Amino acid sequence: DAGVIQSPRHEVTEMGQEVTLRCKPISGHNSLFWYRQTMMRGLELLIYFNNNVPIDDSGMPEDRFSAKMPNASFSTLKIQPSEPRDSAVYFCASSHSSGRPGETQYFGPGTRLLVL
Amino acid sequence: AQKITQTQPGMFVQEKEAVTLDCTYDTSDPSYGLFWYKQPSSGEMIFLIYQGSYDQQNATEGRYSLNFQKARKSANLVISASQLGDSAMYFCAMRDPWGFQKLVFGTGTRLLVSP
Repeated sequence: DAGVIQSPRHEVTEMGQEVTLRCKPISGHNSLFWYRQTMMRGLELLIYFNNNVPIDDSGMPEDRFSAKMPNASFSTLKIQPSEPRDSAVYFCASSHSSGRPGETQYFGPGTRLLVL
Repeated sequence: AQKITQTQPGMFVQEKEAVTLDCTYDTSDPSYGLFWYKQPSSGEMIFLIYQGSYDQQNATEGRYSLNFQKARKSANLVISASQLGDSAMYFCAMRDPWGFQKLVFGTGTRLLVSP
C-alpha cells in the first residue's frame, strides 16, 4: 500500500513568491495533519483536518499560510507571500480516527522548503 | 496542556548493546497515548511503538520496548541489540485525548551507534 505522498520533495523559491505544498493521505484515513519542522522550534502542528473539515488551525503562523482539503484524498498548504523564515521541512501525516487510543499518524517524506 | 520532555540531546552506544532513551510527560488527563518515532538522516518520520495510558503491560515491537512508569510519568524507549541503522533522531510524542489524535512532540534525542 502506498504511504502518505507529498510533493514536491524539495522547493527553492524567492521571497515573495507563492508556494503550494501537496499531500495525498493514505487511502481510508480520515484525519490529516500538517507539521513544520525547524531546528529552532522542532516539530509543530500547523493544522489538522478530520473528514476534510479543519478542526484546529491554531498552529498556523499567520495569514500568509492557508490549508485546504477539498476531498478525502488531497490537501494543500499554501504560503503567500513566502519569507525566508518559512524555510523548513513540512510534513503531512494521516491517520484513521475512530476513537481508539492507539491509532497512529503516518508521516509522508516531507517537503524541504528553502526561501531565498 | 500536554508537554513532552526529552532531556538527552544526544546518546552514544556501541553496536549490539542496549540503549534507553528517556521521555517524561505531563498531563492531567487520565487517558492518553504515547508514541515514539524515528527520524533517520534521510528525513522521514517512522512510527516505532505505542503505549496507551490504560495498557497493563509495557509495549514491545521487535527490538523496541517501552519502559512505561505511569506514576513517574515516564515512557522510556529501550532499543536492544543496537544496530548501525539505528543511528537517527528519536522523538517521543503524546496524543491529545480530546483533539482527534493531535500529537505533541518532544525535542528529540540523537542516537549514534558505533561499530
